[in-house]
Amino acid sequence: GAVVSQHPSWVICKSGTSVKIECRSLDFQATTMFWYRQFPKQSLMLMATSNEGSKATYEQGVEKDKFLINHASLTLSTLTVTSAHPEDSSFYICSARGLAGLSETQYFGPGTRLLVL
Amino acid sequence: GQNIDQPTEMTATEGAIVQINCTYQTSGFNGLFWYQQHAGEAPTFLSYNVLDGLEEKGRFSSFLSRSKGYSYLLLKELQMKDSASYLCVAMDSNYQLIWGAGTKLIIKP
Repeated sequence: GAVVSQHPSWVICKSGTSVKIECRSLDFQATTMFWYRQFPKQSLMLMATSNEGSKATYEQGVEKDKFLINHASLTLSTLTVTSAHPEDSSFYICSARGLAGLSETQYFGPGTRLLVL
Repeated sequence: GQNIDQPTEMTATEGAIVQINCTYQTSGFNGLFWYQQHAGEAPTFLSYNVLDGLEEKGRFSSFLSRSKGYSYLLLKELQMKDSASYLCVAMDSNYQLIWGAGTKLIIKP
């Protein structure tokens, strides 16, 4: 079945550094990719939606200059957390929507745990 | 390997009770989530279990047995708006999420 991968799965970094997270759709073309953030025991919070080849649409309250999203191809989107601070520590999950077989559906990645020291 | 099994589809009647089962195999375990997802929307958090037992939240309850790798979501007094997909999601020892394919619940009047 369709799979979405994320890399890295874990990242620990120092405050002030930038971190890039990759999201790949492995056997289908993702026309739309979503980036979510999850706080402990809470629901996913949508950060931004990106369509291949165009700029991402950010949700209210999400800083576009801090969370840079690039969706350069139908199988790859990246989220870069620039100048990360401890409050950015969270679980970041991507999701890809596209045609898998004959139907359009949405698949979620395994998540990337970010810890900023 | 890591795996989540849950039924593909279930049908129930408005006002009734339905139990959605989930079995999981993970490398280590850091808890199990249940999400509700309506078509075209993001999943909504329903519950999180990390210890054995039943947790009740209004009409929804979630049960976990770590020794059996088993969980269920129990929905009572079903309403038409409960028609949705229910996702069982396990977290492994590396805090990675393993997503089930979801159970589509159809509620009939």
